[in-house]
Amino acid sequence: QSVLTQSPSASGTPGQRVTISCSGVGSGIDYVYWFQQFPGAAPTLLIHRSDQRPSGVPDRFSGSKSGTSASLAISGLRSEDEADYYCAGWDDSLSEWVFGGGTKLTVL
Amino acid sequence: EEQLVESGGGLVERGGSLRLSCTASQFSLKNAWVSWVRQAPGKGLEWVGRIRTESDGGTTDYGTPVKGRFIISRDASKDTVYLQMNGLKIEDTALYYCTTRYSFFMDVWGKGTRVTVSS
Repeated sequence: QSVLTQSPSASGTPGQRVTISCSGVGSGIDYVYWFQQFPGAAPTLLIHRSDQRPSGVPDRFSGSKSGTSASLAISGLRSEDEADYYCAGWDDSLSEWVFGGGTKLTVL
Repeated sequence: EEQLVESGGGLVERGGSLRLSCTASQFSLKNAWVSWVRQAPGKGLEWVGRIRTESDGGTTDYGTPVKGRFIISRDASKDTVYLQMNGLKIEDTALYYCTTRYSFFMDVWGKGTRVTVSS
């Protein structure tokens, strides 16, 4: 059972701004990470340390963390953004990495 | 391009054992903390465990579902990280990925190796 909670699905139309939330970020989690996964492929790191983009990730993707929740925002939505998105973090209180259940993003 | 390669997956009976391997191309695992993450069919990602570098003590941490059954180790001479899975359960059926930090946490992943536990 995931410690981090995500809505199972989200959707938007091309060009829109979509936000995917991740709740249950306890005090044991300092930073939240976001991963993108296409069907049949391995996950790829999208956001690290809550709001940092690795090189190569478009600036349409942004992350934030506030209190017990974190968010991934995708602006200028494109059809190729259709994928599963997972939040994750190292929970010091559990001494485990914890993942959210994932959000399936559909571009209408 | 830096990448990881997992191997050793297969079909095993409930209660059996299997050992997965993780190697790297274009870089060495000697100085890398390596995690295993699994994904059951149609399900989300689940952290299995990790091993620190030898210089950081080589110690391990495990996710609650696998504690006491799975063991992560490394062989420096082969530059390989292993996941020894014992007492396998049906619910251990999954695609197993190894992942590591090259520049950032979990920024390099393998393509995964499939483990199927039969009854």
